[in-house]
Amino acid sequence: KNQVEQSPQSLIILEGKNCTLQCNYTVSPFSNLRWYKQDTGRGPVSLTIMTFSENTKSNGRYTATLDADTKQSSLHITASQLSDSASYICVVSGRGNNRLAFGKGNQVVVIP
Amino acid sequence: EAEVAQSPRYKITEKSQAVAFWCDPISGHATLYWYRQILGQGPELLVQFQDESVVDDSQLPKDRFSAERLKGVDSTLKIQPAELGDSAMYLCASSLELGGVGVTDTQYFGPGTRLTVL
Repeated sequence: KNQVEQSPQSLIILEGKNCTLQCNYTVSPFSNLRWYKQDTGRGPVSLTIMTFSENTKSNGRYTATLDADTKQSSLHITASQLSDSASYICVVSGRGNNRLAFGKGNQVVVIP
Repeated sequence: EAEVAQSPRYKITEKSQAVAFWCDPISGHATLYWYRQILGQGPELLVQFQDESVVDDSQLPKDRFSAERLKGVDSTLKIQPAELGDSAMYLCASSLELGGVGVTDTQYFGPGTRLTVL
C-alpha cells in the first residue's frame, strides 16, 4: 500500500490561472515533507520542504501547506506559466527511517 | 551550481543484452542512490550507498541487477540480461548525509537515463 497518495492524477489549466495539488500520507512518525518538480525527461528538483511545526512554505509562485494532524499537504501554483507544465511529486520522510516515500505525482499541463 | 551527472541519457537495447549506467554525484556527497521510475509512477529506490558500502539494496533484483561504487565517488548500475519490464527511467541521486531525509539535507537528482528494452 502506497504511503503517499496524490490527487488529481493529472490536470490541464489555462496559462495565468491558479491550481492546487493534494497529497495525503500515512508515514508515521513524520519527519518532513517535500514537493519536487519533475520536468518531462528530467530528474526531480526540490521545491519546498516542511517539518512538523511548519504549516506553509513558499518558493516564488509555489506555496506548500501542511496539516500534520490530518496528514495532508497541498501545493498551490499561482498565475501558472507554460514552464509549470511538469509532474509534481510529494515526498515524505519518517523519523528514524532513511528511506523516502514517494507519491506517483500530479501531472500538470499548462496551455496557452 | 553542482549537479549530478548521468550517462547515457538514452539507451535502447534488445532483451537479454547487458546494459550499464553511470552516475557521478555532487562532489563531497557521501550518499548515492539509484532509483527506477516507471512512467506515471514515483521513483522506487533500488540501492543506496554510503561512501563505497551498500546501505540498502533490499529492492534490487539481484539476479539481474548489480551496482558498485568502488572508490566511493562515481557509481555504475548494470542490468544483465535486460528484460522488457526493465524499460523505465533510471535516476541517480546524491545527498550530503545518509538518507537525505533530514530537514537540512536533500537528495539531488540527476537527469536520468531513459532505458527502452525491445
